[in-house]
Amino acid sequence: NAGVMQNPRHLVRRRGQEARLRCSPVKGHSHVYWYRQLPEEGLKFMVYLQKENIIDESGMPKERFSAEFPKEGPSILRIQQVVRGDSAAYFCASSRSRENTIYFGEGSWLTVV
Amino acid sequence: EDQVTQSPEALRLQEGESSSLNCSYTVSGLRGLFWYRQDPGKGPEFLFTLYSAGEEKEKERLKATLTKKESFLHITAPKPEDSATYLCAPQETSGSRLTFGEGTQLTVNP
Repeated sequence: NAGVMQNPRHLVRRRGQEARLRCSPVKGHSHVYWYRQLPEEGLKFMVYLQKENIIDESGMPKERFSAEFPKEGPSILRIQQVVRGDSAAYFCASSRSRENTIYFGEGSWLTVV
Repeated sequence: EDQVTQSPEALRLQEGESSSLNCSYTVSGLRGLFWYRQDPGKGPEFLFTLYSAGEEKEKERLKATLTKKESFLHITAPKPEDSATYLCAPQETSGSRLTFGEGTQLTVNP
């Protein structure tokens, strides 16, 4: 049973570049969540998606960040024109429905230099 | 706005020394209270979900309990491999997001 798969696990970007983080949910799960964990801070909700729909993006920064979960393929978290403050661990999670257990991936660690 | 406070921030125990971690929460309506364990450099690992006051769940040396405003994670006779950060997160009835506390960093010395 494959869990939530995230890649890349580690990503280094220069300031101003784009970062794309990918997430394949648990097989059979159609609900995907993205969370961010800044150094020495807790997990913060960013966005909640179902296939082809953004359900709740209230935790997403208004600029430079976007997320999608297409009908086919993984969910993508895209960060444009990265800045040093974007350096963090980005965790994807998935569930079968909004009432079910939410399982997390191992995270993608973004470092902006 | 949902609020979650975990205490203590850090806890150091000797192997076999039982203790409890606290999670105080404020939400408008609770669908469930989730507990996760997180090891350094890893993602949160699901432990329990509690749905109603008075509910208890157990897994090996861990037991989680829930009241209307708090949840406790009891650790009985811990082992060094129980060392990790323990996170609690309530989920509101109106949505799906989890609001995480800052966690309790548990260290169990042999």
